Amino acid sequence: DQQVKQNSPSLSVQEGRISILNCDYTNSMFDYFLWYKKYPAEGPTFLISISSIKDKNEDGRFTVFLNKSAKHLSLHIVPSQPGDSAVYFCAASVLNNDMRFGAGTRLTVKP
Amino acid sequence: SQTIHQWPATLVQPVGSPLSLECTVEGTSNPNLYWYRQAAGRGLQLLFYSVGIGQISSEVPQNLSASRPQDRQFILSSKKLLLSDSGFYLCAWRDEGNTIYFGEGSWLTVV
Repeated sequence: DQQVKQNSPSLSVQEGRISILNCDYTNSMFDYFLWYKKYPAEGPTFLISISSIKDKNEDGRFTVFLNKSAKHLSLHIVPSQPGDSAVYFCAASVLNNDMRFGAGTRLTVKP
Repeated sequence: SQTIHQWPATLVQPVGSPLSLECTVEGTSNPNLYWYRQAAGRGLQLLFYSVGIGQISSEVPQNLSASRPQDRQFILSSKKLLLSDSGFYLCAWRDEGNTIYFGEGSWLTVV
């Protein structure tokens, strides 16, 4: 069962513009959400997270928004840079339980 | 600081041969440990997770098994590999803040 969904397999953005990556989930018990960035042939690296008690968390160029009523979260990258080109995975968990990942979105930032 | 290491990084195995991927975590005790697989063009699939020595939970019935002989060691095995076992295997551990950190990954090609 796919409890975490990333419906856009790819996204292409011009350098300097905003990248918006989206993620939907079905399990209302999820209380912690994360974004990971993955380069080819490497393990994913943690990027940013948000707990269900918040609706926004910002870290530099990266901001994650959580809309619990819509069971939707998004990652905003602004301004986008070519080095941001990677696959981005959304993940969700119930505290102290296993984590579920989306299928990933491949972001390409064009110079 | 905590580190996670898995090996081998790449391997090519014939169908029907055995498999052993190893993962170790340093700098923490009694971590939750995970094995994920990323098949070509797909997301991260949770295979096994362990909350302690000898405690293994399997998410997907399959040709693989996992073992945790020591607190910081997690092993993924198979007695007879199938072509469909090919993929990128990732070991991960979870910190107390509910974030998962991944190893470098192991590319398995079954031929």
